[in-house]
Amino acid sequence: GENVEQHPSTLSVQEGDSAVIKCTYSDSASNYFPWYKQELGKRPQLIIDIRSNVGEKKDQRIAVTLNKTAKHFSLHITETQPEDSAVYFCAASMAAGNKLTFGGGTRVLVKP
Amino acid sequence: GAVVSQHPSRVICKSGTSVKIECRSLDFQATTMFWYRQFPKQSLMLMATSNEGSKATYEQGVEKDKFLINHASLTLSTLTVTSAHPEDSSFYICSARAGRMNTEAFFGQGTRLTVV
Repeated sequence: GENVEQHPSTLSVQEGDSAVIKCTYSDSASNYFPWYKQELGKRPQLIIDIRSNVGEKKDQRIAVTLNKTAKHFSLHITETQPEDSAVYFCAASMAAGNKLTFGGGTRVLVKP
Repeated sequence: GAVVSQHPSRVICKSGTSVKIECRSLDFQATTMFWYRQFPKQSLMLMATSNEGSKATYEQGVEKDKFLINHASLTLSTLTVTSAHPEDSSFYICSARAGRMNTEAFFGQGTRLTVV
């Protein structure tokens, strides 16, 4: 089955700096790679996703890159703000709406 | 996005008892629902996939006789944790998808189960 590794497990950045989280996956059949933000006790919130036919996608301060050959994808958050502090999860799936395999999560702390 | 409601949001039960968690799609018909479990400070792990009217497909290591899943209608799936033990204490969260693949699945708000 699919295995998703995520690094780092914790990330502390100064407000205004960028944050980068990296994930690798094992199953070449995976084609859908969402990123979720989860606050304590809440449901995961989809913040951006990318499909395998695209190498990069951007939405305001958030961008995701995908290297299908190397089987890795990354989340980039620019101009970080304290409200970006949360746990971020990457995931992989064969398609949107299919079962997700999650990475281990990254706890991001943005220091004011 | 579509709304998925999960109930209860928190439950405390005694060891040995059973607990039922409901997952409802409020404004769409969910042909497929997924149940995940998240232990404290850990990631989400898929427990099972259920399709309306069919038996659930459980992931390896998940006891189907302990975690009973029913998806009898297009808007409701239930997870029953039978003979709960303290190690079953976790955050249980469902997600629901309308229609065929390649359409987003939406998460419920999760249920915090504490077994004492």
